[in-house]
Amino acid sequence: GQQLNQSPQSMFIQEGEDVSMNCTSSSIFNTWLWYKQDPGEGPVLLIALYKAGELTSNGRLTAQFGITRKDSFLNISASIPSDVGIYFCAGQLANEKLTFGTGTRLTIIP
Amino acid sequence: GAGVSQSPSNKVTEKGKDVELRCDPISGHTALYWYRQSLGQGLEFLIYFQGNSAPDKSGLPSDRFSAERTGGSVSTLTIQRTQQEDSAVYLCASSLLSAEQFFGPGTRLTVL
Repeated sequence: GQQLNQSPQSMFIQEGEDVSMNCTSSSIFNTWLWYKQDPGEGPVLLIALYKAGELTSNGRLTAQFGITRKDSFLNISASIPSDVGIYFCAGQLANEKLTFGTGTRLTIIP
Repeated sequence: GAGVSQSPSNKVTEKGKDVELRCDPISGHTALYWYRQSLGQGLEFLIYFQGNSAPDKSGLPSDRFSAERTGGSVSTLTIQRTQQEDSAVYLCASSLLSAEQFFGPGTRLTVL
C-alpha cells in the first residue's frame, strides 16, 4: 500500500542532542500525526496537527504541519535515553484511513 | 481497562493451522483498525471497521485473512491455513471521530 517517505531512516545521537526528522508525501493531507513505538509495544500518539502551518509542542517535542500540506516535521530537544524507539508519521485526507510513514529509528549512543 | 487490549500477546502455531486474534477497543470508539508489522518494518493496513458500515477490506493480503466485529465492539482477526510469511506483529487500533488512533500492544504471531 501507499506509504509516506520518512527521513532519516535511522539516527544515532548522543544524549542531550537535538533531533529532527521529517515526512513527505506526493499528495496533500489535512491531518498529520506523529507516533512513537517502543520495542514490543504498540505505537503511542505524540502529537496531532490539523491545520497547515500549525506548530504544536508536547514537552520537548515540537511538530509542524508543512504549509504545502505535503510534509511534516518532528523535533526533539535535549534527547534523553527514553526517547529511543521508532517514530512514525501518519497522514489523513478527509475521512480516509491513515497512511503511515516508513519510520525513523532513534538510537542514543552512550 | 482504559486502553485497547489484544489477546493473546504471543501466539506460536504450526504452518497450516488457523489462528484467531482478538481486539478489545476503547469503549465507545466507533472505528477499529487492524495492521500488520513485520520485524523492523512499518505498519501495513489490513482492514477497517467504522460503525455499522461495510468494512474496508482493501488491505487484506489474501482470502486466508478475514475479520469480524461483533456488536460494534470486539473484533477478531482470523488467519486460515497459516504460512510462515504470516509471522508478524498484528496491531489493533481504535478511534472515535478524529484521525487519532489508539493502538493496542499487539499480538506477536510466529508460524513454524
